[in-house]
Parts: sequence; structure tokens; C-alpha cells
Amino acid sequence: DAKTTQPTSMDCAEGRAANLPCNHSTISGNEYVYWYRQIHSQGPQYIIHGLKNNETNEMASLIITEDRKSSTLILPHATLRDTAVYYCIAIGSNDYKLSFGAGTTVTVRA
Amino acid sequence: GAVVSQHPSWVICKSGTSVKIECRSLDFQATTMFWYRQFPKQSLMLMATSNEGSKATYEQGVEKDKFLINHASLTLSTLTVTSAHPEDSSFYICSATWTGYGNTIYFGEGSWLTVV
Repeated sequence: DAKTTQPTSMDCAEGRAANLPCNHSTISGNEYVYWYRQIHSQGPQYIIHGLKNNETNEMASLIITEDRKSSTLILPHATLRDTAVYYCIAIGSNDYKLSFGAGTTVTVRA
Repeated sequence: GAVVSQHPSWVICKSGTSVKIECRSLDFQATTMFWYRQFPKQSLMLMATSNEGSKATYEQGVEKDKFLINHASLTLSTLTVTSAHPEDSSFYICSATWTGYGNTIYFGEGSWLTVV
């Protein structure tokens, strides 16, 4: 699996968009980019995933650069409940074994 | 949507006893499930791959005789911590993959184990 790099932490204001970057410069053609978040004392929550195209669902948007070497998770209107550790993971299409790095600790402030 | 459920959410057991944690895929069948462990302030660490109808495969450094995994059906995997010790106290989490749309990997709510 390609290594991903994320900032250690970031703060954002409640009600504003939160843009979480992820670098995956060694990603291969069949590897998807997955985003999860973990709120304290809970199992990881699936947010979104994509291969090449930008994706949007009810939780977030995923913007993948054309060269696929980086991506950005966008939480359109951050709330206090979005405070969590966010993980960006690159994984092959038939590989379901996720390797978690340290992730980005996102703190949403009122 | 697809849901993975774990039971119990938390358990306290005495040293030397065994404790079983269940992981169920509620809306879908999963031939493969995964078990992770997470210590406080650390990231998730993969312990083993649970394969329906066959033996589990363990990550390096994980004792297969201590952490027994059974995947007897397409919707249930169990992790049994045998002869538990206080250092086994941790947050145990399972995952399963829904292959309905784009192979989405879902996690259970996690199970807190405290060995006293």
C-alpha cells in the first residue's frame, strides 16, 4: 500500500469548511484513497473513498488531484461533533487490510 | 447502509480467564473480516485476518494461541482472548468489507477489554 502523509493536527472554526490534505505520491494505479475518522473511544467511521474522480456524499467531498499524488477531504460545514482523528489510507482494489498511520487530529472550535 | 456490530461493547475479566468478542456484519456477508487492537493514544494495529471456513492469518508478533479467531459463518467472526493478562487490556475493533459498491470497508463500534 502506498504511504500517506497527513498533517499531525489542525483547528477549524465551527460552521466553516474544513480542508484536510493527504499526500500519497507513490500511489499506484489500482489503489483507492479511503478516508476514515475516529471519534474518541469509538471504532473508525467510514467517510468516503475514490479512485480518480472527485466524490461527494452526505458527509464530505473528496478531491483527488489529476496526478493522484494528493487528495483533500472537505467537510463543508464543520460542527463540534466533527472533532476526531482523520485517517487517509491508500489501498488496492482487492486488498481490504487497512494500515493506519497517525492521522490528523482535527479540532473544531466554536 | 452496511453495518458491522461488535459485542460486548466493554468487558471486564479476571486474569487467567478467557473472553470472547463477537463481530457481525448485519446487512451483508463477509468472507473476510479483520481484527485490530488499539492502545490508548495510539493508532489501530492489525492483529489478524479472519477467513470464513478456514484458519485465520496472524500478523507478525501476534500469538495465534492467545488470540483465537473463528469465522464460522459469513456474518460472524469471534475473537477469544485466552488466559487474559492485564497487558491484554485494550480496545479491540473488527472490520468487514461490503462489496456492493466500490468495496467499502466498515468497522465495528469496538470492544473495550479490561483485565484485572
